[in-house]
Amino acid sequence: AQKVTQAQTEISVVEKEDVTLDCVYETRDTTYYLFWYKQPPSGELVFLIRRNSFDEQNEISGRYSWNFQKSTSSFNFTITASQVVDSAVYFCALSDFSGANNLFFGTGTRLTVIP
Amino acid sequence: ETGVTQTPRHLVMGMTNKKSLKCEQHLGHNAMYWYKQSAKKPLELMFVYNFKEQTENNSVPSRFSPECPNSSHLFLHLHTLQPEDSALYLCASSQELKGGPGELFFGEGSRLTVL
Repeated sequence: AQKVTQAQTEISVVEKEDVTLDCVYETRDTTYYLFWYKQPPSGELVFLIRRNSFDEQNEISGRYSWNFQKSTSSFNFTITASQVVDSAVYFCALSDFSGANNLFFGTGTRLTVIP
Repeated sequence: ETGVTQTPRHLVMGMTNKKSLKCEQHLGHNAMYWYKQSAKKPLELMFVYNFKEQTENNSVPSRFSPECPNSSHLFLHLHTLQPEDSALYLCASSQELKGGPGELFFGEGSRLTVL
C-alpha cells in the first residue's frame, strides 16, 4: 500500500529563517515517483518538483532544495531564507505509476512565515 | 494562471438540489482528474479520465457523476449530496507520459457547502 506521512501539521518561522518540511513515504514498488506541491491561499496546487526512485541526487532550485534518501524513505524539502510569499500549505505526494496518474498525497504542512 | 479553470468557485446547495461543477483546461493535456480536499485529510482522487475514457473511480458514491465530453472539459454532476460532502473540489490535468507520471496542473477549486 502507498502512504505518505507529513508529521508536521503547522510550522511558523520568522522571515529569513531556514525551514525543513518532512515527508516520509511507504511503498512496495521499486519504481515510483515523488512530488512536492505548494497550495497558496488562492487554492490551486502548484507543482514544485518530481523525482523518480532511481535518482537520489539532491536538487536545488533557488531557495528550494530537496533531500531524497531511500534508506529512510524520506523526501524532505528545505526553504532557505524564507519569505512571506512562501506561506502556504505544502503537500508531498507519491505515485506508483500504475497506468493512471494516481498520486497519494500527504495531509500537508501549513507553513506560516512571519515578517 | 495555471491553464485550468474551474467554475463556480463557490457553491452552496441543499441536499435535494442538483448542480454541476465545471472544469476546462487550455493546455492540450490528455488526462483530467477530480480530487476532493477535506480539512485535515489527504487529497482524495475521485475520478480520472485519459483521452476522454474514465480509467479510475475510487469508490466514489453514485451521487457524484463525472462527465468528460472532450479532452478539454470535465464536469462533476452533483445530486442528493450529504453535508459531509462539503469540501474543496479540485480539477487537474496532465499529459500522460511513457516515462512516468506527468506534472499535474490544478485549478483553484470549487468550494462546495451542502446544507
